This record gives sequence, structure tokens and C-alpha cells, in this order.
Amino acid sequence: DAMVIQNPRYQVTQFGKPVTLSCSQTLNHNVMYWYQQKSSQAPKLLFHYYDKDFNNEADTPDNFQSRRPNTSFCFLDIRSPGLGDAAMYLCATSIWKASTDTQYFGPGTRLTVL
Amino acid sequence: AQTVTQSQPEMSVQEAETVTLSCTYDTSESDYYLFWYKQPPSRQMILVIRQEAYKQQNATENRFSVNFQKAAKSFSLKISDSQLGDAAMYFCAYRSGGWETSGSRLTFGEGTQLTVNP
Repeated sequence: DAMVIQNPRYQVTQFGKPVTLSCSQTLNHNVMYWYQQKSSQAPKLLFHYYDKDFNNEADTPDNFQSRRPNTSFCFLDIRSPGLGDAAMYLCATSIWKASTDTQYFGPGTRLTVL
Repeated sequence: AQTVTQSQPEMSVQEAETVTLSCTYDTSESDYYLFWYKQPPSRQMILVIRQEAYKQQNATENRFSVNFQKAAKSFSLKISDSQLGDAAMYFCAYRSGGWETSGSRLTFGEGTQLTVNP
């Protein structure tokens, strides 16, 4: 009965080789978020989708892109991963404007860049 | 911009005892929400407890309760009867109460690593 699913759980890529991380949800939430969490640090929001409306954080590098083809799925594309992009990537979902607008997190994908 | 500060990078507690994790925040807003999330090692982040700023009553969830001091901008988490399964990184988080585009952004503190000793 997993609600926010991330695939793969562990991803290894080479420096400069594009990589795509996947997130899916069974909650039918209209907002999906991508966070980057480096070791022993707080999660940092990269961007979020409200339905199909994309909202980028001002300091998110252009190297990071996202796609949301439908309500259930959201993808994080890293066009040219650098060593500094090695991190845990967390997907989260919520219902915008609900009285209980709580974010539910997936288990994360740990990205290693060689 | 809002900031969230957790001044205790690490805390430890004996099993069955009580521990309090500190969190302070800075905001000029009057409408906001505060959260405590728990992140066990290699496991997903889960919500522990939530507090609406307009509510004076402190939120409680079983063994977890908060001490919300709005004027002092303080939001501490108390864990009673600590269990081994409580060992995790705990993050305090802030969300604006507005419904603008940025309304649902969570601002996290740096986290407190809690160890529970048997």
C-alpha cells in the first residue's frame, strides 16, 4: 500500500551522463515536489508542480529539469550530473489548498556520480 | 525569507525516558504551519506532528507533543517513553499559510540526530 513510490532506490551514473529519476503516487494529490538532500543536511526544494504548472526555485541549477506527464507520475532529469549532484532525491506530494496540506514523502533515490 | 534553526545536531536519550528537541524559527507572517518530520536511517521521511499557528493548544500525537510558543517563535518536540524505534533524524519544518505559488514550500531546519540507548 505504498503511497509515494520512487524508482530506482539507488542510482549510479557517470559524470556527465544524463539520468532520470522517477516518482509515482497513488494518493491522487495535485502537487508533487522534488527535494535534494545531501548527506547530513536538510532537504532543499528544487521545484514543484501544481497540477501541470511548473514552479522552479530561483536557485535550482538549469542542469535539473522535471516532467509531469500525468497526475500520478513526475520525473527528475539531471542533464549532466556533476560530482556535486550526488545526493538523496526525495519526492513528495500534497493536496493544495486542503485544510490538511501535509507533504507525504517517498523513500528517496540515492544518486551516486562516478 | 523564513528560517528554521535546530540548535542540537545530536541528542541521546535512555529508553523509556523523555527527551525534548528544540526548534526556533524566524518569520514575519502571522499565518503558518509547523511540522516535525522523522527520517530513520535509509528510510523515508514521515510526519510526526503538525501545528497550526492560529491554534493556541499544543498538538499531541500519542507519545509526541509540542511546546509551541508563538511569541518566542519556538516549537519544541517532546518524546515521552522513548523507544528504540524513535531513533532517527528529526527535522523541524515551516510552511507559509498563504496559498500563493510558494505557499506549500517547506523550509527545513538542519535536523537533530536522536539516539535511543537501551
